[in-house]
Amino acid sequence: SQQGEEDPQALSIQEGENATMNCSYKTSINNLQWYRQNSGRGLVHLILIRSNEREKHSGRLRVTLDTSKKSSSLLITASRAADTASYFCATGGSNYKLTFGKGTLLTVNP
Amino acid sequence: SAVISQKPSRDICQRGTSLTIQCQVDSQVTMMFWYRQQPGQSLTLIATANQGSEATYESGFVIDKFPISRPNLTFSTLTVSNMSPEDSSIYLCSVEGLAGDHQYEQYFGPGTRLTVT
Repeated sequence: SQQGEEDPQALSIQEGENATMNCSYKTSINNLQWYRQNSGRGLVHLILIRSNEREKHSGRLRVTLDTSKKSSSLLITASRAADTASYFCATGGSNYKLTFGKGTLLTVNP
Repeated sequence: SAVISQKPSRDICQRGTSLTIQCQVDSQVTMMFWYRQQPGQSLTLIATANQGSEATYESGFVIDKFPISRPNLTFSTLTVSNMSPEDSSIYLCSVEGLAGDHQYEQYFGPGTRLTVT
């Protein structure tokens, strides 16, 4: 069964606005990762946050992790049309296996 | 990160036939994985491709349907056997990241889009 559940399923914003996507999961994790997928192509790794971390930044991306609530959020600041894609969270264990959520389809309108 | 290629990028196959998908990495990696993404869905792990031994399959996936080879540390194949329209999906291989800061990250190939008619 799917471990992560993204919220919302779809998000439409204007260029320049911030986009926030949430992910909830059910069991204990070693890490949580966010990926981007453009139009059904390969996945691009965005950021990994470990279970002992609470916040991580990478460029315009900010990820938070709350292990007590079993949830994570991905914030994309100053969004661009090129950010239009599907975003997936994936929970990982020490065995390297990933369990993916259902994804959020982000549309950034010019 | 590793550069990963997959062949073919897409194919249209008739039911009852089999298709072998290749995954090539530009560096030696220990862990290689195969995922399936059904239309409009998320990714599901099929199996871990182990070098020198049989693949380790996830619940719901069996070797007879999805035989996997891993002859060396840079190459793997996934075969989708006796295909039916329900096998229409994107199939992706992935590899683990480098040790240290990138440990546990996974890098994905561009995927193989399979349509079964």
